[in-house]
Amino acid sequence: KAGVTQTPRYLIKTRGQQVTLSCSPISGHRSVSWYQQTPGQGLQFLFEYFSETQRNKGNFPGRFSGRQFSNSRSEMNVSTLELGDSALYLCASSLDPTSEYAQYFGPGTRLTVL
Amino acid sequence: DQQVKQNSPSLSVQEGRISILNCDYTNSMFDYFLWYKKYPAEGPTFLISISSIKDKNEDGRFTVFLNKSAKHLSLHIVPSQPGDSAVYFCAASARYAGGTSYGKLTFGQGTILTVHP
Repeated sequence: KAGVTQTPRYLIKTRGQQVTLSCSPISGHRSVSWYQQTPGQGLQFLFEYFSETQRNKGNFPGRFSGRQFSNSRSEMNVSTLELGDSALYLCASSLDPTSEYAQYFGPGTRLTVL
Repeated sequence: DQQVKQNSPSLSVQEGRISILNCDYTNSMFDYFLWYKKYPAEGPTFLISISSIKDKNEDGRFTVFLNKSAKHLSLHIVPSQPGDSAVYFCAASARYAGGTSYGKLTFGQGTILTVHP
């Protein structure tokens, strides 16, 4: 089975712009979670989608949003970029996060905001 | 409020010896624990997990121990190999807490493991 894929792998944007990141989960996985990794804060949960519904959202401002499509692919969007948004953005997919199934991570998108 | 803590930022061991990575948690709602290995600029790779109804789970060279009363878990790697050198993250999930727990893993800060040949 193919793993979790994320596109693009690298992005450079300037302050004030917006960005859209894409994630394709492992085939058959319906849950997609997004995380932000920074040197100072570590891995922080952004949000989770299951069957096109956002079920949970972490403590991030409203500039961070996402959605999930009927094929379970997910996108996250960051509007009005700030320098502090520079980070590695990771998505992870799971069969069922309420059972004993692990989350499997993609390679991440490295976002640099100048 | 750091609910999952890995107090050792780094660990250095000799090839062939045992590596023991530790993790403490504070949230009693956590009932599923995972260990991930991560290389720079890559996503975390799942290694092994344990449910709170167990106290040990083994998979090849990797064994995870859970001490619920102490809210402590550890990952043992035996024997350690140079290819094991990476950052190891402990993560926890409250699968049945509903609401703010859906699909959320809470991670520790990571421990850098270096295995010397």
